[in-house]
Amino acid sequence: AQKVTQAQTEISVVEKEDVTLDCVYETRDTTYYLFWYKQPPSGELVFLIRRNSFDEQNEISGRYSWNFQKSTSSFNFTITASQVVDSAVYFCALSEAGGNNRLAFGKGNQVVVIP
Amino acid sequence: NAGVTQTPKFQVLKTGQSMTLQCAQDMNHEYMSWYRQDPGMGLRLIHYSVGAGITDQGEVPNGYNVSRSTTEDFPLRLLSAAPSQTSVYFCASRKNREEVYEQYFGPGTRLTVT
Repeated sequence: AQKVTQAQTEISVVEKEDVTLDCVYETRDTTYYLFWYKQPPSGELVFLIRRNSFDEQNEISGRYSWNFQKSTSSFNFTITASQVVDSAVYFCALSEAGGNNRLAFGKGNQVVVIP
Repeated sequence: NAGVTQTPKFQVLKTGQSMTLQCAQDMNHEYMSWYRQDPGMGLRLIHYSVGAGITDQGEVPNGYNVSRSTTEDFPLRLLSAAPSQTSVYFCASRKNREEVYEQYFGPGTRLTVT
């Protein structure tokens, strides 16, 4: 069964500091997809990134970067030089290629950026 | 494109009442799904559909019904509301191809059952 663990519940950082969110996943499938979503205080869910299990390249998008390591079943997310607008809940999610393609979500990381 | 829309945004029900949460998308996505979000629980899949006329149960289907008569619409029905169904409900859609693409979420419906 697929499972996603985000161990850190709430993380507070001072503006301009970097913050890394850990995501550890479990799956028996060899083909799967990993996602990160952002949920700002307004409540909507915003897609950030998708990564499939065959692509272990790290990715950078502006101040966001992702580190995918199959050997440790982790897909960590780093925000560099955090800003107040980064304050949100961040969800890591996993979808196996087979079955009902459901997204299994972690419980989320609440990031609070203090000005 | 409006993306994924949901109505209503807020709803208060009394125990035992029924209602339908509406969801529509204009992206011609085959796959649609309903999730509920509870504090500290992340999001959990209620029901999903891979195309018009096809629906299936997710992780927490009890107390909910769905149907998919068109590609665009995927309503969620609460048959007899219970306080345990107090939650925020999100509808989502995505392309349904061999690969699993990202899901796009609606703005959510905040439901309170008293």
